[in-house]
Amino acid sequence: ETGVTQSPTHLIKTRGQQVTLRCSSQSGHNTVSWYQQALGQGPQFIFQYYREEENGRGNFPPRFSGLQFPNYSSELNVNALELDDSALYLCASSATGDSYEQYFGPGTRLTVT
Amino acid sequence: AQSVTQLDSQVPVFEEAPVELRCNYSSSVSVYLFWYVQYPNQGLQLLLKYLSGSTLVESINGFEAEFNKSQTSFHLRKPSVHISDTAEYFCAVTLTNSGNTPLVFGKGTRLSVIA
Repeated sequence: ETGVTQSPTHLIKTRGQQVTLRCSSQSGHNTVSWYQQALGQGPQFIFQYYREEENGRGNFPPRFSGLQFPNYSSELNVNALELDDSALYLCASSATGDSYEQYFGPGTRLTVT
Repeated sequence: AQSVTQLDSQVPVFEEAPVELRCNYSSSVSVYLFWYVQYPNQGLQLLLKYLSGSTLVESINGFEAEFNKSQTSFHLRKPSVHISDTAEYFCAVTLTNSGNTPLVFGKGTRLSVIA
């Protein structure tokens, strides 16, 4: 059974640029959630995708957007990057019926300069 | 809205000593409770969870946590820690009334085990 994978591992961008982060969910999981973990903080919920539709959103501006594909993999897009967007971005997948347990990927470390 | 408070940001402890990491939550509705562990430069791993039943839950590596509804707490304990337990520990909650609800995390407690 393949776990949750994320790419890239690390990324450095300049303020104002756009970035796309990718996540492959665990086999059999149809729900993907994205979290932002700033340095020294707990993860904060960005949004969740279920069957290719956004299924809930945290307190993040519209420049944070996402997609989920038919194979349940997902992308997180961030436009007009700001310095405060520097963080570890975590993807978690879960299965309907067992959705209380979320399985996390290793994360993508984004640095905005 | 739910919130989670982890009362200690850092906990240093000597190897083979007991440890308790404290977690309190606030919610107007029922929640499920989780502890996740994050090793350096890694993602989160589920350590243990409370969904229902016995209020004392255990992990395979010797940690346990007890759900106390009256005190709205879910403290994590281990009777004897190892160097390998050095990591960041996060307490989290999610709503019980619907599936696929997001996790709300505390700010984390950094456990440092000293040889």
